[in-house]
Amino acid sequence: DSGVTQTPKHLITATGQRVTLRCSPRSGDLSVYWYQQSLDQGLQFLIQYYNGEERAKGNILERFSAQQFPDLHSELNLSSLELGDSALYFCASSVGGSANEKLFFGSGTQLSVL
Amino acid sequence: GENVEQHPSTLSVQEGDSAVIKCTYSDSASNYFPWYKQELGKRPQLIIDIRSNVGEKKDQRIAVTLNKTAKHFSLHITETQPEDSAVYFCAASMVAGNQFYFGTGTSLTVIP
Repeated sequence: DSGVTQTPKHLITATGQRVTLRCSPRSGDLSVYWYQQSLDQGLQFLIQYYNGEERAKGNILERFSAQQFPDLHSELNLSSLELGDSALYFCASSVGGSANEKLFFGSGTQLSVL
Repeated sequence: GENVEQHPSTLSVQEGDSAVIKCTYSDSASNYFPWYKQELGKRPQLIIDIRSNVGEKKDQRIAVTLNKTAKHFSLHITETQPEDSAVYFCAASMVAGNQFYFGTGTSLTVIP
């Protein structure tokens, strides 16, 4: 167990809908990263938050947004869902704000858009 | 930005043999190189990492080597076992950076 908690584990929804994925980082970690992994694909970086502030943005669609709350948990909001958004979404956490430290992944949320 | 290339994309070895996965990076400022193992349907797990002030690091059957001049690093797994079968990802990052750059992954199959 990495100590990073993601909920829900599975999510099935329809096109056009909106969903929220939740992540609680390891105790003491201030950074949260979000990644998307499509079938047989690598890890696509979406966005990073550090201590409540957006730190870095990757290939995140405008339909997607995220935030990190004062208790350091983070939520990834996906709206106007399309079939192509079906993927495994991981969050990961690390202690500091620099991407130069050990990164620990949660178990992921499997999103299926039908 | 940084670009990490990983080879091979698939690798099959007989149980007991060694496996080597190679990654190259483009930005000489990168100084942290972790390796992750992802079993089917599970989360990526950090298995070993190396920083640029070290040329080699070992942990039991796993070792990582780094050649800063050539900008490449490799994962070596000796005496492979069926439970080593997984997808392995390399990554690179830098002190002043704000993201990890992942390779595209290597699917390793260890044949009993």
